[in-house]
Amino acid sequence: DGGITQSPKYLFRKEGQNVTLSCEQNLNHDAMYWYRQDPGQGLRLIYYSQIVNDFQKGDIAEGYSVSREKKESFPLTVTSAQKNPTAFYLCASSSSGVTTDTQYFGPGTRLTVL
Amino acid sequence: GQQVMQIPQYQHVQEGEDFTTYCNSSTTLSNIQWYKQRPGGHPVFLIQLVKSGEVKKQKRLTFQFGEAKKNSSLHITATQTTDVGTYFCAYQAGTALIFGKGTTLSVSS
Repeated sequence: DGGITQSPKYLFRKEGQNVTLSCEQNLNHDAMYWYRQDPGQGLRLIYYSQIVNDFQKGDIAEGYSVSREKKESFPLTVTSAQKNPTAFYLCASSSSGVTTDTQYFGPGTRLTVL
Repeated sequence: GQQVMQIPQYQHVQEGEDFTTYCNSSTTLSNIQWYKQRPGGHPVFLIQLVKSGEVKKQKRLTFQFGEAKKNSSLHITATQTTDVGTYFCAYQAGTALIFGKGTTLSVSS
């Protein structure tokens, strides 16, 4: 929600190409997250970061990579190793990543690999 | 990893009818959060429950956390067309938030 931007909204790529999805937040949040959403599957956690220059794998990290060089930015790269990359990708942030923190979501990027 | 089960997966109601979605876990949860995602949109935080037996209300929405902190429910009274969307429960697992698969509500007028 407000303060988190993801671009572009729709992205098309050819199979075998790496693609990087951007996520920027101006909420001064420490923690940032990447989720993947497929129809009927809910949200599945790809990677998360609680602090700059540190990140952890989520449940489905294979075929993805991230970086956290700045507090405001948490880009996600979908590599050619990801078997089924077509999905809706959501970025989120929270104040500190501790228990009880609310997550705020960006508008999402819908990636289609042709 | 551990999942919470949300039931039903889909629910269609006539406008004015009530709606309830349930979130069940096999283990005790430290807290539960509820989010709503409108069609084509992104999840938006609704509420968090922390205490055993807690009940919170937001206008026509009533949220409950079970006494054993293993289940939760969201009840909407007199649904409106603006209630359509997918409702997710989520729980904290370490420093990550794990989402259920959601209940998708459709409302016909």
